[in-house]
Amino acid sequence: KNEVEQSPQNLTAQEGEFITINCSYSVGISALHWLQQHPGGGIVSLFMLSSGKKKHGRLIATINIQEKHSSLHITASHPRDSAVYICAVPDMYSGGGADGLTFGKGTHLIIQP
Amino acid sequence: DAGVTQSPTHLIKTRGQQVTLRCSPKSGHDTVSWYQQALGQGPQFIFQYYEEEERQRGNFPDRFSGHQFPNYSSELNVNALLLGDSALYLCASSLGGSSYEQYFGPGTRLTVT
Repeated sequence: KNEVEQSPQNLTAQEGEFITINCSYSVGISALHWLQQHPGGGIVSLFMLSSGKKKHGRLIATINIQEKHSSLHITASHPRDSAVYICAVPDMYSGGGADGLTFGKGTHLIIQP
Repeated sequence: DAGVTQSPTHLIKTRGQQVTLRCSPKSGHDTVSWYQQALGQGPQFIFQYYEEEERQRGNFPDRFSGHQFPNYSSELNVNALLLGDSALYLCASSLGGSSYEQYFGPGTRLTVT
């Protein structure tokens, strides 16, 4: 079973700062998901990536398959970016294949104005 | 185009009772996964349905069962409810499993008293 570790667990920063959240996993994967969860529960998919780098607005996600590590960056952070950021990977479960997601514990990000 | 919908939004049940939660996937998606998220924790994989069959299952007891209908909507049933079953239950739909982008529903908040 894949072990997914995220750091930091909690992060408080000032508006405008560059934010980095890290994720490492123990078993090789086909893809990695970065998700955002706001208070109240809804989860939104930010990125799914299997190699290299993806960018969407102020968000950038990178992955290094050899090192089993991914990072999520937020440029020019804003208070509306305050949320829990979670990385997740497909994992082996009973039934065969690797289709259930295993999640990291999440990074609680607070951006202060 | 409707996204993933779940019903009900909130539910309060008593220990020992049974509950059914429902999920309608995003239009065109054929795979539905269910997750349990206890307060302050990351989501845990329950099972995944594809073509009306349970394709993978996480480490959950047989009290947790499910079903997928020909229109790809899905139900999660939990029998003999325990206090520890209190959680947010999330479903996610995709085109073919966890190596594809996941679309999450808003969740059903279940409270067992």
